[in-house]
Amino acid sequence: KNQVEQSPQSLIILEGKNCTLQCNYTVSPFSNLRWYKQDTGRGPVSLTIMTFSENTKSNGRYTATLDADTKQSSLHITASQLSDSASYICVVSPAGGFKTIFGAGTRLFVKA
Amino acid sequence: DTAVSQTPKYLVTQMGNDKSIKCEQNLGHDTMYWYKQDSKKFLKIMFSYNNKELIINETVPNRFSPKSPDKAHLNLHINSLELGDSAVYFCASSQGSGSGRTDTQYFGPGTRLTVL
Repeated sequence: KNQVEQSPQSLIILEGKNCTLQCNYTVSPFSNLRWYKQDTGRGPVSLTIMTFSENTKSNGRYTATLDADTKQSSLHITASQLSDSASYICVVSPAGGFKTIFGAGTRLFVKA
Repeated sequence: DTAVSQTPKYLVTQMGNDKSIKCEQNLGHDTMYWYKQDSKKFLKIMFSYNNKELIINETVPNRFSPKSPDKAHLNLHINSLELGDSAVYFCASSQGSGSGRTDTQYFGPGTRLTVL
Protein backbone atom coordinates (compact mmCIF):
# COMPACT_ATOMS: atom_id res chain seq x y z
CA LYS A 1 0.00 0.00 0.00
CA ASN A 2 1.35 3.42 -0.94
CA GLN A 3 1.92 5.52 2.14
CA VAL A 4 3.65 8.73 3.18
CA GLU A 5 4.64 9.19 6.81
CA GLN A 6 6.00 12.39 8.31
CA SER A 7 7.80 13.09 11.55
CA PRO A 8 7.68 14.71 13.94
CA GLN A 9 3.95 15.40 14.15
CA SER A 10 4.71 18.80 15.64
CA LEU A 11 7.80 20.80 16.49
CA ILE A 12 8.51 23.96 18.48
CA ILE A 13 11.72 25.90 17.85
CA LEU A 14 13.09 29.31 18.70
CA GLU A 15 13.37 31.99 16.05
CA GLY A 16 16.72 31.88 14.30
CA LYS A 17 17.27 28.16 14.87
CA ASN A 18 17.45 25.49 12.18
CA CYS A 19 15.21 22.44 11.97
CA THR A 20 14.73 19.33 9.85
CA LEU A 21 11.47 17.61 9.03
CA GLN A 22 11.33 14.00 7.85
CA CYS A 23 9.25 12.17 5.27
CA ASN A 24 9.32 8.41 4.63
CA TYR A 25 7.34 6.88 1.82
CA THR A 26 6.54 3.45 0.44
CA VAL A 27 5.26 4.66 -2.93
CA SER A 28 6.65 2.58 -5.80
CA PRO A 29 7.32 3.12 -8.60
CA PHE A 30 8.07 6.70 -7.75
CA SER A 31 7.72 9.79 -9.94
CA ASN A 32 8.31 12.84 -7.80
CA LEU A 33 8.18 14.21 -4.28
CA ARG A 34 7.05 17.66 -3.24
CA TRP A 35 7.03 19.66 -0.08
CA TYR A 36 4.20 22.10 0.57
CA LYS A 37 3.79 24.79 3.22
CA GLN A 38 0.29 25.38 4.55
CA ASP A 39 -0.33 28.48 6.66
CA THR A 40 -3.30 28.36 9.01
CA GLY A 41 -6.51 29.08 7.14
CA ARG A 42 -4.90 28.90 3.71
CA GLY A 43 -4.29 26.39 0.96
CA PRO A 44 -0.94 24.59 0.61
CA VAL A 45 1.79 26.33 -1.37
CA SER A 46 4.51 24.41 -3.19
CA LEU A 47 8.07 24.78 -1.82
CA THR A 48 10.09 22.21 -3.77
CA ILE A 49 9.61 19.39 -6.24
CA MET A 50 12.17 16.62 -6.88
CA THR A 51 12.22 13.70 -9.26
CA PHE A 52 13.87 10.38 -8.41
CA SER A 53 17.15 11.50 -9.99
CA GLU A 54 17.48 14.64 -7.86
CA ASN A 55 19.11 14.58 -4.42
CA THR A 56 18.54 18.13 -3.27
CA LYS A 57 16.53 21.20 -4.13
CA SER A 58 16.62 24.61 -2.47
CA ASN A 59 14.11 27.42 -2.26
CA GLY A 60 15.54 30.26 -0.21
CA ARG A 61 15.96 29.07 3.38
CA TYR A 62 14.24 25.77 2.55
CA THR A 63 16.35 22.83 1.36
CA ALA A 64 14.81 19.48 0.52
CA THR A 65 16.82 16.28 0.17
CA LEU A 66 15.79 12.99 -1.34
CA ASP A 67 17.21 9.48 -1.02
CA ALA A 68 15.25 7.37 -3.49
CA ASP A 69 17.04 4.20 -2.36
CA THR A 70 15.88 4.45 1.25
CA LYS A 71 12.67 6.26 0.25
CA GLN A 72 13.34 9.15 2.58
CA SER A 73 13.16 12.90 2.19
CA SER A 74 13.88 15.76 4.54
CA LEU A 75 13.09 19.44 4.58
CA HIS A 76 15.67 21.62 6.28
CA ILE A 77 14.75 25.13 7.34
CA THR A 78 17.63 27.49 8.04
CA ALA A 79 17.52 30.51 10.35
CA SER A 80 13.83 30.07 11.09
CA GLN A 81 11.49 33.05 11.16
CA LEU A 82 8.14 33.55 12.86
CA SER A 83 6.49 33.35 9.45
CA ASP A 84 7.76 29.79 9.07
CA SER A 85 5.11 28.70 11.57
CA ALA A 86 2.88 26.47 9.44
CA SER A 87 2.20 22.87 8.50
CA TYR A 88 4.69 21.26 6.11
CA ILE A 89 3.26 18.53 3.96
CA CYS A 90 5.19 15.89 2.01
CA VAL A 91 3.47 14.72 -1.17
CA VAL A 92 4.55 11.77 -3.30
CA SER A 93 3.38 10.94 -6.81
CA PRO A 94 3.61 7.40 -8.16
CA ALA A 95 4.89 6.89 -11.67
CA GLY A 96 2.29 6.36 -14.36
CA GLY A 97 -0.66 7.32 -12.22
CA PHE A 98 -2.79 10.32 -11.52
CA LYS A 99 -3.07 10.23 -7.77
CA THR A 100 -0.75 12.01 -5.41
CA ILE A 101 -0.42 10.79 -1.83
CA PHE A 102 -0.28 13.35 0.96
CA GLY A 103 1.44 12.94 4.30
CA ALA A 104 -0.32 14.13 7.45
CA GLY A 105 2.10 17.04 7.77
CA THR A 106 4.41 18.39 10.47
CA ARG A 107 3.10 21.34 12.42
CA LEU A 108 5.98 23.78 13.05
CA PHE A 109 5.77 26.52 15.66
CA VAL A 110 8.50 29.17 15.66
CA LYS A 111 8.65 31.18 18.89
CA ALA A 112 10.26 34.56 19.48
CA ASP B 1 -4.59 38.27 -9.96
CA THR B 2 -3.74 34.86 -11.38
CA ALA B 3 -4.98 32.31 -8.91
CA VAL B 4 -7.35 29.60 -7.87
CA SER B 5 -10.42 31.09 -6.23
CA GLN B 6 -13.23 29.46 -4.30
CA THR B 7 -16.57 30.71 -3.07
CA PRO B 8 -17.82 30.87 -0.47
CA LYS B 9 -14.97 30.95 2.06
CA TYR B 10 -17.29 29.90 4.88
CA LEU B 11 -20.48 27.87 4.64
CA VAL B 12 -22.67 27.04 7.63
CA THR B 13 -25.76 24.98 6.97
CA GLN B 14 -28.22 22.54 8.48
CA MET B 15 -28.04 18.80 8.10
CA GLY B 16 -30.03 17.57 5.11
CA ASN B 17 -29.55 20.70 3.01
CA ASP B 18 -27.99 20.80 -0.47
CA LYS B 19 -25.11 23.21 -1.09
CA SER B 20 -22.56 24.05 -3.77
CA ILE B 21 -18.99 25.31 -3.68
CA LYS B 22 -17.57 27.03 -6.72
CA CYS B 23 -13.99 26.99 -7.96
CA GLU B 24 -12.34 28.93 -10.75
CA GLN B 25 -8.75 29.05 -11.97
CA ASN B 26 -7.31 31.59 -14.38
CA LEU B 27 -3.92 29.89 -14.70
CA GLY B 28 -4.80 28.16 -17.96
CA HIS B 29 -4.37 24.75 -16.34
CA ASP B 30 -5.86 21.57 -17.77
CA THR B 31 -6.52 19.70 -14.52
CA MET B 32 -8.57 20.62 -11.47
CA TYR B 33 -9.10 18.83 -8.17
CA TRP B 34 -11.23 18.79 -5.07
CA TYR B 35 -9.69 17.84 -1.73
CA LYS B 36 -11.19 17.40 1.72
CA GLN B 37 -9.14 18.31 4.78
CA ASP B 38 -10.57 16.93 7.98
CA SER B 39 -10.02 18.00 11.57
CA LYS B 40 -6.77 16.02 11.72
CA LYS B 41 -5.48 18.11 8.80
CA PHE B 42 -5.18 15.15 6.43
CA LEU B 43 -5.70 16.20 2.82
CA LYS B 44 -7.60 13.59 0.82
CA ILE B 45 -8.32 13.81 -2.87
CA MET B 46 -11.97 13.50 -3.83
CA PHE B 47 -12.11 14.20 -7.55
CA SER B 48 -9.91 15.23 -10.43
CA TYR B 49 -10.92 16.54 -13.82
CA ASN B 50 -8.66 16.88 -16.85
CA ASN B 51 -10.06 19.05 -19.67
CA LYS B 52 -13.57 18.71 -18.25
CA GLU B 53 -13.36 14.92 -18.01
CA LEU B 54 -13.35 12.99 -14.74
CA ILE B 55 -10.04 11.14 -14.20
CA ILE B 56 -10.07 10.46 -10.45
CA ASN B 57 -13.10 9.59 -8.39
CA GLU B 58 -12.13 8.38 -4.96
CA THR B 59 -14.49 6.53 -2.68
CA VAL B 60 -16.71 9.48 -2.03
CA PRO B 61 -20.45 9.22 -1.26
CA ASN B 62 -22.54 9.85 -4.35
CA ARG B 63 -24.08 12.77 -2.49
CA PHE B 64 -21.01 14.62 -3.77
CA SER B 65 -21.19 15.51 -7.44
CA PRO B 66 -18.53 17.55 -9.23
CA LYS B 67 -19.43 19.55 -12.30
CA SER B 68 -16.99 21.08 -14.77
CA PRO B 69 -18.73 23.43 -17.22
CA ASP B 70 -15.36 24.32 -18.75
CA LYS B 71 -11.74 23.59 -17.91
CA ALA B 72 -11.43 26.76 -15.83
CA HIS B 73 -14.24 25.79 -13.45
CA LEU B 74 -14.88 22.81 -11.22
CA ASN B 75 -17.83 23.12 -8.87
CA LEU B 76 -18.76 20.75 -6.07
CA HIS B 77 -22.39 20.07 -5.24
CA ILE B 78 -23.29 18.24 -2.06
CA ASN B 79 -26.74 16.77 -1.45
CA SER B 80 -28.29 15.85 1.88
CA LEU B 81 -25.45 17.24 3.97
CA GLU B 82 -24.38 15.20 7.01
CA LEU B 83 -22.48 16.16 10.16
CA GLY B 84 -19.43 14.23 8.93
CA ASP B 85 -19.20 16.45 5.86
CA SER B 86 -17.91 19.28 8.06
CA ALA B 87 -14.37 19.98 6.88
CA VAL B 88 -12.33 22.38 4.79
CA TYR B 89 -12.66 21.74 1.07
CA PHE B 90 -9.80 22.81 -1.19
CA CYS B 91 -9.88 23.24 -4.92
CA ALA B 92 -6.59 22.97 -6.82
CA SER B 93 -5.33 23.04 -10.37
CA SER B 94 -2.26 21.86 -12.26
CA GLN B 95 -0.94 22.14 -15.79
CA GLY B 96 -0.78 18.41 -16.44
CA SER B 97 -2.63 15.42 -15.08
CA GLY B 98 -1.05 15.52 -11.66
CA SER B 99 1.85 13.11 -11.48
CA GLY B 100 4.32 14.60 -13.94
CA ARG B 101 7.44 16.42 -12.86
CA THR B 102 5.99 19.82 -13.69
CA ASP B 103 2.60 19.18 -12.22
CA THR B 104 2.74 21.38 -9.17
CA GLN B 105 -0.75 21.86 -7.84
CA TYR B 106 -1.92 25.35 -6.99
CA PHE B 107 -4.49 25.44 -4.22
CA GLY B 108 -7.38 27.76 -3.57
CA PRO B 109 -7.91 29.36 -0.14
CA GLY B 110 -10.35 26.68 0.98
CA THR B 111 -14.03 26.62 1.95
CA ARG B 112 -14.79 25.82 5.56
CA LEU B 113 -18.05 23.86 5.64
CA THR B 114 -19.85 23.47 8.95
CA VAL B 115 -22.91 21.23 9.09
CA LEU B 116 -25.10 21.76 12.16
